[in-house]
Amino acid sequence: EVHLVESGGGLVKPGGSLRLSCEGSGFTLSSYSMNWVRQAPGNGLEWVASISTSNYIYYADSVKGRFTVSRDNANNSVSLQMNSLRAEDTAVYYCARDAWLAAHFMDQWGQGTLVTVSS
Amino acid sequence: ETVLTQSPVTLSLSPGERATLSCRASQSVGTYLAWYQQRPGQAPRLLIYDASNRAAGISARFSGSGSGTDFSLTINSLEPEDSAIYYCQQRDNWPPKDTFGQGTKLEIK
Repeated sequence: EVHLVESGGGLVKPGGSLRLSCEGSGFTLSSYSMNWVRQAPGNGLEWVASISTSNYIYYADSVKGRFTVSRDNANNSVSLQMNSLRAEDTAVYYCARDAWLAAHFMDQWGQGTLVTVSS
Repeated sequence: ETVLTQSPVTLSLSPGERATLSCRASQSVGTYLAWYQQRPGQAPRLLIYDASNRAAGISARFSGSGSGTDFSLTINSLEPEDSAIYYCQQRDNWPPKDTFGQGTKLEIK
């Protein structure tokens, strides 16, 4: 069975850094494009970043230059390094898998990890 | 960037009724539109992809239609468990950035 599990969330001060991890099981994560999607409290879904199977990486304008996505194929995981965090980055962060190569949608989601940016 | 606008914002219906949710794109997305269900406290779940294809394990009560800029999600024979927020999503061709609609909250009273 396919599972995605995020970890690494927590409370961080404005300007601080945090690294989220998303570990996959039941499938080979390196064979799929992976995405990070966030949801601020009481708000809708916002796409954050994606990494393709060829390691092409794309970011939302709101996080470009501050967040970095990477893969760790040995651990079947992807990470989201978040620097220069702001209050508006407070959200539940989900990792989600593209359904297949060239798919335009995400078929598997993790349960999310909460990031709170506050002094 | 393609903007998705969902309507209505909130929909309140009774068990057994039919719900019709709308998603309008600011420019044509062909049939590359997906729908997700998010129940309180849970992660989103894929319902429909490529406008009209049901995801694995999704009840036949859920159906999607549309192309270009206008899309619909229909839920027949509403059940209490259908209470959730429903989001549409599309991906731009280049750069491949995703956008979501703002969501429709479906209440089953």
